[in-house]
Amino acid sequence: EAQVTQNPRYLITVTGKKLTVTCSQNMNHEYMSWYRQDPGLGLRQIYYSMNVEVTDKGDVPEGYKVSRKEKRNFPLILESPSPNQTSLYFCASSRAGLADTQYFGPGTRLTVL
Amino acid sequence: RKEVEQDPGPFNVPEGATVAFNCTYSNSASQSFFWYRQDCRKEPKLLMSVYSSGNEDGRFTAQLNRASQYISLLIRDSKLSDSATYLCVVNRISGYSTLTFGKGTMLLVSP
Repeated sequence: EAQVTQNPRYLITVTGKKLTVTCSQNMNHEYMSWYRQDPGLGLRQIYYSMNVEVTDKGDVPEGYKVSRKEKRNFPLILESPSPNQTSLYFCASSRAGLADTQYFGPGTRLTVL
Repeated sequence: RKEVEQDPGPFNVPEGATVAFNCTYSNSASQSFFWYRQDCRKEPKLLMSVYSSGNEDGRFTAQLNRASQYISLLIRDSKLSDSATYLCVVNRISGYSTLTFGKGTMLLVSP
């Protein structure tokens, strides 16, 4: 089944404790991205990747890192999480970029205390 | 004008009704337009792309008006299962290309 998976789905952590949210897609998609969704603000792009080893900042990259060592994986790293990073995070992939259908993962609900 | 603006709703309609949503965008250079559907706190899913000539998919019709910079979504014969939040999405070109999501319009279809 074609899908985007994210882990963990739910996470409660404390300020400053490094964490990684994994994202994997099995559709051989070139383009992957991370979004956060907050009430009243909608979905905002954090980082995106056009291909392996090619990543770039989106609208709200501060406090996040990403890597794209393999085509299928695009982990999101929070080196020192803070409470303002409490949010619902979605990973997405598409075949060739922004003009294509974006396939979203199920989301990761993160709470930073 | 905000980059992508939608009426948040909710739009409360009975089953079988026709309902229309509009979305305005600010960047005239935008090239790709979409409607996504999001059920409560689940992942967004593509409902339909929006083409310059307008397009239809079953009960759903999307229109693009470049001159006035808005797109619309018309849902005919509403079903209970249409209850969701509808996100207007625009490909923004400004230094780098990215997708800008509207905050969504909530639709509630009642029996």
